Amino acid sequence: AQKVTQAQTEISVVEKEDVTLDCVYETRDTTYYLFWYKQPPSGELVFLIRRNSFDEQNEISGRYSWNFQKSTSSFNFTITASQVVDSAVYFCALSGYKTSYDKVIFGPGTSLSVIP
Amino acid sequence: DAGVIQSPRHEVTEMGQEVTLRCKPISGHNSLFWYRQTMMRGLELLIYFNNNVPIDDSGMPEDRFSAKMPNASFSTLKIQPSEPRDSAVYFCASSTGQVTGNTIYFGEGSWLTVV
Repeated sequence: AQKVTQAQTEISVVEKEDVTLDCVYETRDTTYYLFWYKQPPSGELVFLIRRNSFDEQNEISGRYSWNFQKSTSSFNFTITASQVVDSAVYFCALSGYKTSYDKVIFGPGTSLSVIP
Repeated sequence: DAGVIQSPRHEVTEMGQEVTLRCKPISGHNSLFWYRQTMMRGLELLIYFNNNVPIDDSGMPEDRFSAKMPNASFSTLKIQPSEPRDSAVYFCASSTGQVTGNTIYFGEGSWLTVV
């Protein structure tokens, strides 16, 4: 069975601090996709990144970076120099790779508050 | 480019009434998903379609819930009769349905309150 765990329910940081959101996943598949989504207070779900399991290179996009470690089944997300606009709930998700019918399973989310 | 479009954005209805939520996926996307989000259960996948055919409806809570996709550009999620515990945000999402790129894109959600 597939499962995504985000152990941090809520995190508060002061603006300009760095923050890392943890994601641990379980799957029996040898190839799979991992995702991060952002849900700001307005409620929509915004796609941030997709990573496939055979590409373990870390990725950086502006203040965002992602650390994928297959050995520990983790796909952590770091925000550098956090800003108030980063306040949101962040979801990590997992999908199979075998067919186009594979479901996307979401973790419970981490609520991030960035305090000015 | 238009994203996933859902309607209504907000609905308040009385217990026992029928509720119909509507979704227009992104043009060219072959897969469509209905998710429900609550504080208690988080994001739950209710059902998903591929090429208008329901592939997995194991997440549909009970017989009061039904979903249809009569064509590639329209889907409905119906609750009949509605109950207060159905109050949630219902998201529709779509993807290309391709193995090499199954990123799903969400609509803005339909906020349902059953009183």
